[in-house]
Amino acid sequence: DTGVSQDPRHKITKRGQNVTFRCDPISEHNRLYWYRQTLGQGPEFLTYFQNEAQLEKSRLLSDRFSAERPKGSFSTLEIQRTEQGDSAMYLCASSLGGQSYEQYFGPGTRLTVT
Amino acid sequence: AQRVTQPEKLLSVFKGAPVELKCNYSYSGSPELFWYVQYSRQRLQLLLRHISRESIKGFTADLNKGETSFHLKKPFAQEEDSAMYYCALSLPGNTGKLIFGQGTTLQVKP
Repeated sequence: DTGVSQDPRHKITKRGQNVTFRCDPISEHNRLYWYRQTLGQGPEFLTYFQNEAQLEKSRLLSDRFSAERPKGSFSTLEIQRTEQGDSAMYLCASSLGGQSYEQYFGPGTRLTVT
Repeated sequence: AQRVTQPEKLLSVFKGAPVELKCNYSYSGSPELFWYVQYSRQRLQLLLRHISRESIKGFTADLNKGETSFHLKKPFAQEEDSAMYYCALSLPGNTGKLIFGQGTTLQVKP
């Protein structure tokens, strides 16, 4: 296991198209997080899974965004009808536990909406 | 709302100089505080966490609840310390989600 992986690393899409990103966490980690990072800002929390259950969603996550984690393994983040404001780095992280545990981050997927 | 503030976007020091990256947070309870670091072309990774009270790569950070601060310090900066540093807060409860500051770029000049 080489850590958290994300695919694709880069995605360029036209406004209005749908995109889907994948995250493969570290295999024994039951917690998975999605964050979004725009230029000059720190990562912002989007959503959190414990196993297959999505337990929290940020108000940043509009109804165009949906995330899944079937069988508690990999996760997907889909953005429908993309807008230019969706251009950002989308980061995935996984951890073994809650508040005090280290989160291991993936390399991110950079989305550019033209 | 809970917030983490890193007032400096860029901190530039010479090799061997002391470093202090500032972090202030707004939360009235007992948060967990972290410093994450991102070196050039690498992913975000944990540097240290308040609960561990450890020194990593010569860096230390002390939680000051009175001043709601968690400043990162190193007595003698090295060129390899050049990176982006993020302070982050995790609230009590089961989620573990992180609230990040805007980040500070540390540039250590030779």
